[in-house]
Amino acid sequence: EAQVTQNPRYLITVTGKKLTVTCSQNMNHEYMSWYRQDPGLGLRQIYYSMNVEVTDKGDVPEGYKVSRKEKRNFPLILESPSPNQTSLYFCASSLSRGRGPLNQPQHFGDGTRLSIL
Amino acid sequence: AQKITQTQPGMFVQEKEAVTLDCTYDTSDPSYGLFWYKQPSSGEMIFLIYQGSYDQQNATEGRYSLNFQKARKSANLVISASQLGDSAMYFCAMREGISDYKLSFGAGTTVTVRA
Repeated sequence: EAQVTQNPRYLITVTGKKLTVTCSQNMNHEYMSWYRQDPGLGLRQIYYSMNVEVTDKGDVPEGYKVSRKEKRNFPLILESPSPNQTSLYFCASSLSRGRGPLNQPQHFGDGTRLSIL
Repeated sequence: AQKITQTQPGMFVQEKEAVTLDCTYDTSDPSYGLFWYKQPSSGEMIFLIYQGSYDQQNATEGRYSLNFQKARKSANLVISASQLGDSAMYFCAMREGISDYKLSFGAGTTVTVRA
């Protein structure tokens, strides 16, 4: 089954304790992205990756890091989490521009709910 | 400036009736795509329907249709014959042609279907 898998689904942690949210897709997609969802703001892009070893900042990258060492995985790293990073996080993937139809949607993971105390 | 505006934070609709969710967008790129996603209370994002800027006809997918008015820069979602399972948050999103596949999202509209 084609899917984007995020782990953990829920996490409560404390300020300053490094954490990693994993994301893996089995569709051989080049493009992967992280979003955060906050009430009244919709989803905002944190970081994205066009392919292995190619990453770039989205709209709200402060306080986050990513890496793309393999095509299928795109972990989100919070080196020193703070309460303002409490949010619902989504990983998404799709084919790159040159390889897929323009109307293809991004495939989303089921979300990770982070609470930073 | 906000790229996607959804002005209805919440709506109620009677079962079996139709409901229209508003979405306006802002872009200077002639090539763009508009997407609607559904987010039920369980949290996952479900793709519903797509409209391309060059599409001549309004998109339809089952009970979902998109009322695309290019000159007004609006892409309203119409859900016909509402069902209890349609109760969810709905997001309008846009991808502009010159960029990668980044989606710009609106704030969302919560729909509650009443029996």
